[in-house]
Amino acid sequence: GENVEQHPSTLSVQEGDSAVIKCTYSDSASNYFPWYKQELGKRPQLIIDIRSNVGEKKDQRIAVTLNKTAKHFSLHITETQPEDSAVYFCAVPSGSARQLTFGSGTQLTVLP
Amino acid sequence: DAGVIQSPRHEVTEMGQEVTLRCKPISGHDYLFWYRQTMMRGLELLIYFNNNVPIDDSGMPEDRFSAKMPNASFSTLKIQPSEPRDSAVYFCASSPRPGQWEQYFGPGTRLTVT
Repeated sequence: GENVEQHPSTLSVQEGDSAVIKCTYSDSASNYFPWYKQELGKRPQLIIDIRSNVGEKKDQRIAVTLNKTAKHFSLHITETQPEDSAVYFCAVPSGSARQLTFGSGTQLTVLP
Repeated sequence: DAGVIQSPRHEVTEMGQEVTLRCKPISGHDYLFWYRQTMMRGLELLIYFNNNVPIDDSGMPEDRFSAKMPNASFSTLKIQPSEPRDSAVYFCASSPRPGQWEQYFGPGTRLTVT
């Protein structure tokens, strides 16, 4: 099956700084790369995703970059705000199957 | 759209009892997924359905767990008998047609087995 590694497991930044979270995957056939945000006690929510035919996608303060050769993709959050504090998960499809394999999560804390 | 609906939101039960979790996916979505989330194991896929048919149940921990999807708008996850190690948050998620990979999660059911 797919092997997904996510780093770092915890990240603290000052408000206004940038945050970067990275995921590596093993299956070179993967072609869809989402990021989910989970606030404490809430459900995971899709915040951004990218398909393999593009290298970068932006949505306001968040962006995802993809390096298919190296088999890794990253979440970038700029101008961080306290409400960005949450656990962030990357996910990768498991080959030709329909399911997603989730990374272990990154606890992001934005310090005011 | 109401989103994915799960019930109950919280369940506390004693070891050995049967537990049934319920899920209503987003209307028109072809895929339904059941996940379990714990601190130790993270977010694990238990089983998923396509057009009401179970496709992959390799994540189901053991025979005590079973899942059904009798129609396109309803699914259940049953644990019988329950054990303390089953304590977790169970999420249901649904996904649109083939080619659209996004998954939309329900609010989850927090299960505590004492």
